[in-house]
Amino acid sequence: DIVMTQSPATLSVSPGERATLSCRASQSVSSNLAWYQQKPGQAPRLLIYGAFTRATGIPARFSGSGSGTVFTLTISSLQSEDFAVYYCQQYDNWPPLTFGGGTKVEIK
Amino acid sequence: EVQLVESGGGLVQSGRSLRLSCVASGFTFDDYAMHWVRQVSGKGLEWVSGIGYNSASIGYADSVKGRFTISRDNAKNSLYLQMNSLRVEDTAIYYCAKGSNFGPNCFDPWGQGTRVTVSS
Repeated sequence: DIVMTQSPATLSVSPGERATLSCRASQSVSSNLAWYQQKPGQAPRLLIYGAFTRATGIPARFSGSGSGTVFTLTISSLQSEDFAVYYCQQYDNWPPLTFGGGTKVEIK
Repeated sequence: EVQLVESGGGLVQSGRSLRLSCVASGFTFDDYAMHWVRQVSGKGLEWVSGIGYNSASIGYADSVKGRFTISRDNAKNSLYLQMNSLRVEDTAIYYCAKGSNFGPNCFDPWGQGTRVTVSS
């Protein structure tokens, strides 16, 4: 199984600052990597697919990069609504489909 | 608007069975793969099972293989998860998710979830 590892577990950022989240795969997943955002009490929402393509309606301040085993989600200027938990997920090889453990972005 | 509405969750004793349902609307159901993903309270996401648009392709997480069965009824725009031999560790919110427009094993969108609690 492909293991996805996210870091850091928690990221404290001030509004307006940049946030950089990391995701690493235990083996290459090519660009078959998605990012999701989950707010408290809500279902996750797709942000990024194909490692760098924003899903419909996702603001341009969210950007993804990377390929192979190392990936990054960057939020260029944090807004209040961006404080949430972010998960990466590989869909290169299944079953199983696997998620990272999540990064919580909290207000500094 | 795409809508996914799960039902069938509840409190059940260890060893018993439960059947979850997900009714879909707002898209052509039989064009898309569908999945179940679960989340233990306060923890991360775990993919449980997925099924291709025509049921030809099915996969399970090792943690549920042999106990859970995924199925779909395209005529009823419905996805199911039959959960047998339930364990305390199956306690979670179970989300139904549609395979995305960009790939069948990427999830977009998700339902609001149904809570399953397994007691000992």
